[in-house]
Amino acid sequence: NAGVTQTPKFRILKIGQSMTLQCTQDMNHNYMYWYRQDPGMGLKLIYYSVGAGITDKGEVPNGYNVSRSTTEDFPLRLELAAPSQTSVYFCATFRLQGAKETQYFGPGTRLLVL
Amino acid sequence: DAKTTQPTSMDCAEGRAANLPCNHSTISGNEYVYWYRQIHSQGPQYIIHGLKNNETNEMASLIITEDRKSSTLILPHATLRDTAVYYCIVSAQKTSYDKVIFGPGTSLSVIP
Repeated sequence: NAGVTQTPKFRILKIGQSMTLQCTQDMNHNYMYWYRQDPGMGLKLIYYSVGAGITDKGEVPNGYNVSRSTTEDFPLRLELAAPSQTSVYFCATFRLQGAKETQYFGPGTRLLVL
Repeated sequence: DAKTTQPTSMDCAEGRAANLPCNHSTISGNEYVYWYRQIHSQGPQYIIHGLKNNETNEMASLIITEDRKSSTLILPHATLRDTAVYYCIVSAQKTSYDKVIFGPGTSLSVIP
């Protein structure tokens, strides 16, 4: 049981390039999230999904897109990278059953846009 | 905006109890209080959550005031490995665990 895995761990992009941040979970959780964390700041919710085929915007969705074709995968797409998107990106899941509801986070992807 | 307010930073001597406060004066009746922590460069880690009763697990205790407008996370015997940013979050389970908002949290430094 690997939990939440994210790839890549680190990436440098040039302005205007595009990339996809991968997130995969093996816990069969319905809820998945993408957060970004700027240096010294808390987490900002970008997008979330309550199940396959269903996604919705969070606090800071501009410049990003997501899809959720399967329960396991929730990729985050950056179409035209900008320096303001330099951040650490965390994917998370949430288990919504029983008395141990909790959110599980991946190890993060560090993105630098130059 | 986050629904909670926490002190920016706190220090605690190693081996002593660390008491981290959180104000959530606008909490709704169906909202739980969650605590997470984030050790440098890692993803946040769940600690504990509760609705109105005090809770305890192997990591910490959560004390929620009777009016539910504030809570305190207690690490009974702080160690150097407890140095982290601690986030207090309020969110409703089962109905709207969607736009979970993280504030800046409290940076706890455990001092030898």
